[in-house]
Amino acid sequence: SQQGEEDPQALSIQEGENATMNCSYKTSINNLQWYRQNSGRGLVHLILIRSNEREKHSGRLRVTLDTSKKSSSLLITASRAADTASYFCATDASGGATNKLIFGTGTLLAVQP
Amino acid sequence: NAGVTQTPKFQVLKTGQSMTLQCAQDMNHEYMSWYRQDPGMGLRLIHYSVGAGITDQGEVPNGYNVSRSTTEDFPLRLLSAAPSQTSVYFCASSHGTVYTFGSGTRLTVV
Repeated sequence: SQQGEEDPQALSIQEGENATMNCSYKTSINNLQWYRQNSGRGLVHLILIRSNEREKHSGRLRVTLDTSKKSSSLLITASRAADTASYFCATDASGGATNKLIFGTGTLLAVQP
Repeated sequence: NAGVTQTPKFQVLKTGQSMTLQCAQDMNHEYMSWYRQDPGMGLRLIHYSVGAGITDQGEVPNGYNVSRSTTEDFPLRLLSAAPSQTSVYFCASSHGTVYTFGSGTRLTVV
């Protein structure tokens, strides 16, 4: 399995601070995605970065991708209590043939008000 | 637009019982998949389908069957439930690369 590994497993910060989560994976990929999961709910797509991109922004989210190190990071700026959730990276190595995503183990983010 | 609908939301089974977890999507997505989520292990792929009539195994297929007779539906069958199958099950669908997830089924096998 090419399951990704997130680091740290858990992160606790104060509102207004920035949160950084890292993801490492094992094989070549077509793209990498980040998803968010609120407690007891399904996952929601946040952002996708393709293998030929190095950085991408969406609102308060910034994602970087380093294919030489097989790693990605998700930065949430000016965090809010509502950002409290688990965050997962997911990789697609199928070349578009199956859309099969392999998910990492997740980072649990707690933002204290 | 309901998206991905999973039923039931909660289920308790006795060891050896069988049951079907239902998943339906109304977005005409070709690709559908089933994952299980266990503490500390993230999501693991059970089975997936790239279109009606086509299914394939994921990382952890043992003890589960699937079928895809229509584009909309992708049921997951537990043949003989075991305590190791206690988990939260998620169904997802996609047209391109981005997945839409259902809200999950929490299954307990006693």
